[in-house]
Amino acid sequence: EAGVAQSPRYKIIEKRQSVAFWCNPISGHATLYWYQQILGQGPKLLIQFQNNGVVDDSQLPKDRFSAERLKGVDSTLKIQPAKLEDSAVYLCASSSYLGTSGETQYFGPGTRLLVL
Amino acid sequence: AQKITQTQPGMFVQEKEAVTLDCTYDTSDPSYGLFWYKQPSSGEMIFLIYQGSYDQQNATEGRYSLNFQKARKSANLVISASQLGDSAMYFCAMREGAGGTSYGKLTFGQGTILTVHP
Repeated sequence: EAGVAQSPRYKIIEKRQSVAFWCNPISGHATLYWYQQILGQGPKLLIQFQNNGVVDDSQLPKDRFSAERLKGVDSTLKIQPAKLEDSAVYLCASSSYLGTSGETQYFGPGTRLLVL
Repeated sequence: AQKITQTQPGMFVQEKEAVTLDCTYDTSDPSYGLFWYKQPSSGEMIFLIYQGSYDQQNATEGRYSLNFQKARKSANLVISASQLGDSAMYFCAMREGAGGTSYGKLTFGQGTILTVHP
């Protein structure tokens, strides 16, 4: 079974530029998550989708970050314009919906973003 | 307040010995799940083990076991017979149940860097 795919793996941009990350979840997984992991910290949830609807985006900086999950499969996370503090690893995860606390999330390899 | 606390920034262990990584959590939700993930230097998060709040027995997965002490709100990871490939960052995480306001997302601790010496 193929895992969660993400691209690109690395991205370097200058501040105020825009950038987009792509995620393809494990086949059949209804729930998709985007996390931001700043160096030396644990991941922090940015947005959670259930199929193509947003479940939780309370920690997404909506003035610059946007995300979509068209057709309930692939997802794109965009930053526009980027700031220096956006330098981080962006992790995508997916899970099959169980509706319980035991639902396991599987992560992709992440995209390392450096904003100069 | 921190929901997940990992108090050991770094741990060292000799190859083939056992090591315990500490994790304490805070929730008022009676239904929750506790997870441990491994993050090697390559960056991906690898799922290791899961413990449900209603599980009577401690979870085990191969060389990994979870020492779950509900009254103390601790969920320590025990790695037996450490291998050089176990060197990585380890994260404890919690997912609250359907009754919690943060249902769905994983809340992670700060992580513990484990170094296995030959």
